[in-house]
Amino acid sequence: NAGVTQTPKFQVLKTGQSMTLQCAQDMNHNSMYWYRQDPGMGLRLIYYSASEGTTDKGEVPNGYNVSRLNKREFSLRLESAAPSQTSVYFCASSPQSGTRYGYTFGSGTRLTVV
Amino acid sequence: KNQVEQSPQSLIILEGKNCTLQCNYTVSPFSNLRWYKQDTGRGPVSLTIMTFSENTKSNGRYTATLDADTKQSSLHITASQLSDSASYICVVTTDSWGKLQFGAGTQVVVTP
Repeated sequence: NAGVTQTPKFQVLKTGQSMTLQCAQDMNHNSMYWYRQDPGMGLRLIYYSASEGTTDKGEVPNGYNVSRLNKREFSLRLESAAPSQTSVYFCASSPQSGTRYGYTFGSGTRLTVV
Repeated sequence: KNQVEQSPQSLIILEGKNCTLQCNYTVSPFSNLRWYKQDTGRGPVSLTIMTFSENTKSNGRYTATLDADTKQSSLHITASQLSDSASYICVVTTDSWGKLQFGAGTQVVVTP
C-alpha cells in the first residue's frame, strides 16, 4: 500500500547513545517532515525538507539532525540521546509545502531514552 | 501558550450517540483548518480541510464547521461507532509556507 513507512516502530536507548530513525514515502511527494508527539501536547515540528536537497529547522530542532537522502527518504538522527527525547516520532510527507496540500503520516516510532 | 486549544480533553459516549468537539485558535494569519483522526499507535489521518471561505464540510458521519470571525471550529460525530474511538486533532495552517499548528487533541471513547 502506498504511504509513509517508518522504522523502527519501537526503540529503547541509553542516555548518550545515538540512533537514526528512517522514513520513506512512495507517493512521489516533494516535501517531508519530522514531528514529535508528547503527552498533552500537539505535534511539534523538528525538521522539514521542502524539496529534495533542502532541509530546514522546525520548532524544536535541538539535539537532532536530518538527511534528505533522496526524494523518497528522510532520516532523523539523534547523536547523543537524552531522556527529554523520549517521545513518539512521526514522519510525514506532502506533495508540496504550500498551505493547501494534505499531509500523510507514518505510523510512528516510539522512542524511550533511559 | 498553545495557539490551538481543544475541548474537552476527553469524553466517553455511548455507541449510537452524537458528540461535538471544539477547537479555538489564535493562529494568524490563517490559511486553513484541518481535523485529523489518530487511532492508538497510529499516525494522524486527515478527515477534513476547510479554507477561510468554507464554513462546513462533511466526511461521512463527520461534519466540521468553521467560524473564521470568532476563530472557532467544531467536529460533530453522528451516530458514533466503536471504531470512532480515537484522538481527534485540530490543526491550523498558517502562512504561505504551510506551517501546521497542532492542538493537543480530544480523546474520544465510544462504549457499547
